[in-house]
Amino acid sequence: KQEVTQIPAALSVPEGENLVLNCSFTDSAIYNLQWFRQDPGKGLTSLLLIQSSQREQTSGRLNASLDKSSGRSTLYIAASQPGDSATYLCAVLMDSNYQLIWGAGTKLIIKP
Amino acid sequence: ETGVTQTPRHLVMGMTNKKSLKCEQHLGHNAMYWYKQSAKKPLELMFVYSLEERVENNSVPSRFSPECPNSSHLFLHLHTLQPEDSALYLCASSQVQDQRGGADTQYFGPGTRLTVL
Repeated sequence: KQEVTQIPAALSVPEGENLVLNCSFTDSAIYNLQWFRQDPGKGLTSLLLIQSSQREQTSGRLNASLDKSSGRSTLYIAASQPGDSATYLCAVLMDSNYQLIWGAGTKLIIKP
Repeated sequence: ETGVTQTPRHLVMGMTNKKSLKCEQHLGHNAMYWYKQSAKKPLELMFVYSLEERVENNSVPSRFSPECPNSSHLFLHLHTLQPEDSALYLCASSQVQDQRGGADTQYFGPGTRLTVL
């Protein structure tokens, strides 16, 4: 059974710092891995999607990497801003049934 | 309206009530999903409708009943709920290539915050 773990559960850093969020998964038979952002009381917004054959994806100040063999992904946020404060969720799409399996999220607070 | 919309945004109901959650997607997608998000727990997939047929039901209690009349609308009918059903219910849609769900990213609505008293 696939399990997705996100560490840390919460993170608070000063504005301007570069930071890394971690995601690990137990079953490497994934189709893709996605990072989402959720603002309080709102739905989820897709940030980056990495296909299983890819190593990384970049969008602006965000960079996501994928090491499928070791079951790990990282989300790198450069030059953090208070507007980056949100919960970041990692999800893997299973190869077998195309279901998304989710981590519990990392709550990020960027202090001005 | 654009994207995925959900109504109501907040709902408080007693355990004997019957209510329905509504989701509408304006993206031309052919698959829709219901998720349950409880505090500090990963999202749980409840139902998937792909090409208007239900293809997954992950042992969700029968007090939750989905309905998908067409590719743009999805309902979740609720009856005799329990306090532990209080959660944020999220709807999502995506474009799929086959019945199993495809691999495109999912677009989410803002959710319905449900409180069962």
